[in-house]
Amino acid sequence: SYELTQPPSVSVSPGQTASITCSGDKLGEKHACWYLRKPGQSPVLVIYQDTKRPSGIPERFSGSNSGNTATLTISGTQAMDEADYYCQAWDSSTVVFGAGTKLTVL
Amino acid sequence: EVQLVESGGGLVQPGGSLRLSCAASGFTFSNYWMHWVRQAPGKGLVWVSHIEIGGNNTTYADSVKGRFTISRDNAKNTLYLQMNSLRVEDTAVYYCARESADSFDLWGRGTLVTVSS
Repeated sequence: SYELTQPPSVSVSPGQTASITCSGDKLGEKHACWYLRKPGQSPVLVIYQDTKRPSGIPERFSGSNSGNTATLTISGTQAMDEADYYCQAWDSSTVVFGAGTKLTVL
Repeated sequence: EVQLVESGGGLVQPGGSLRLSCAASGFTFSNYWMHWVRQAPGKGLVWVSHIEIGGNNTTYADSVKGRFTISRDNAKNTLYLQMNSLRVEDTAVYYCARESADSFDLWGRGTLVTVSS
């Protein structure tokens, strides 16, 4: 079965750039998307179709996808961005999520 | 208001059954594929099942295939998940989610299913 691999944790200082990676076989040939989830809340879509931001998502969130790796980049990270982040893609007719990355803003 | 509201969760013994519902409002439910996604305590998101617009085509994660059945009633704007032969490992918060552009752009608040004796 298809797998997406994320680092368990990433730390960043306020105002700096955070990068979270998601790796999978030929992931660049699929569409990747990203969600954040804060404790006690439902997931929120922050990037879809590799690079697109839904309405209401700040411009500091951006995405890329090439080769075997998709990357979520948060520029000028704020304390409010501290959350768990999940990548997601389709494989055949099923949906796959990465295991999630805990972003800590120190 | 555009929203999804899940219901039907609760405590059930191993081997038991539950039926989850997801009521959609504020958008044309019959225009969207719909999904169930779950999150076990302390774990990540796991996709469970999806159903296409007309309800005829469905897919399931291997872990629930043969035990869970997804369905929808477009006249009632409601998505369902019938869960049979429940196992302890099915314990999770179950979310319904709306699909758009290969991603989930709208999520409900979730309903907790606890399988325990």
